Amino acid sequence: QQQVKQSPQSLIVQKGGISIINCAYENTAFDYFPWYQQFPGKGPALLIAIRPDVSEKKEGRFTISFNKSAKQFSLHIMDSQPGDSATYFCALSGNTGKLIFGQGTTLQVKP
Amino acid sequence: GAGVSQSPRYKVAKRGQDVALRCDPISGHVSLFWYQQALGQGPEFLTYFQNEAQLDKSGLPSDRFFAERPEGSVSTLKIQRTQQEDSAVYLCASSLGYGTGDEKLFFGSGTQLSVL
Repeated sequence: QQQVKQSPQSLIVQKGGISIINCAYENTAFDYFPWYQQFPGKGPALLIAIRPDVSEKKEGRFTISFNKSAKQFSLHIMDSQPGDSATYFCALSGNTGKLIFGQGTTLQVKP
Repeated sequence: GAGVSQSPRYKVAKRGQDVALRCDPISGHVSLFWYQQALGQGPEFLTYFQNEAQLDKSGLPSDRFFAERPEGSVSTLKIQRTQQEDSAVYLCASSLGYGTGDEKLFFGSGTQLSVL
């Protein structure tokens, strides 16, 4: 049973465009929602994270929007660049540090 | 070291062989996690250590999988009698604190295991 559903599976965006990746979850026991970025041959790296007591968090070109009532959160990449081409994973975390990852979204930013 | 180091980078095993995968976490990091990442999928939790204590092994797929961290630093994931379905990238991650849930995990580049 998937505890978090991520979409789309793949995404192609033109340079300078906005990339949007969505995640939905069921269990409200989680209280930390990170996004990880993974390049081929590398491990995931933390990009940005949010707690459910805020609705939005922005760090540079990356923004997380969080809708607690709908149990959904999304990653927005503004002014997408070719260097952003990677696989992105949303994740859920409770109080143990164990992460439950989404299925991943492969982003390709075309120059 | 500067980051989490895993070795070997690639491992090819014949079905039925035993393998051992090593993880060197960031020095001083208390928490250590192992994840399994199948091709095209997100990482899936295997097991968690806090120092030398294995506090959660609920994600280990079978009793063929065994992990240890005897001195609270380096960890080894051992897979006995490997099967083709064990083929995946095995990722190790560490964090500074006691796994409170909001800590940043630092991942290694993983060991890609192929079982023929």
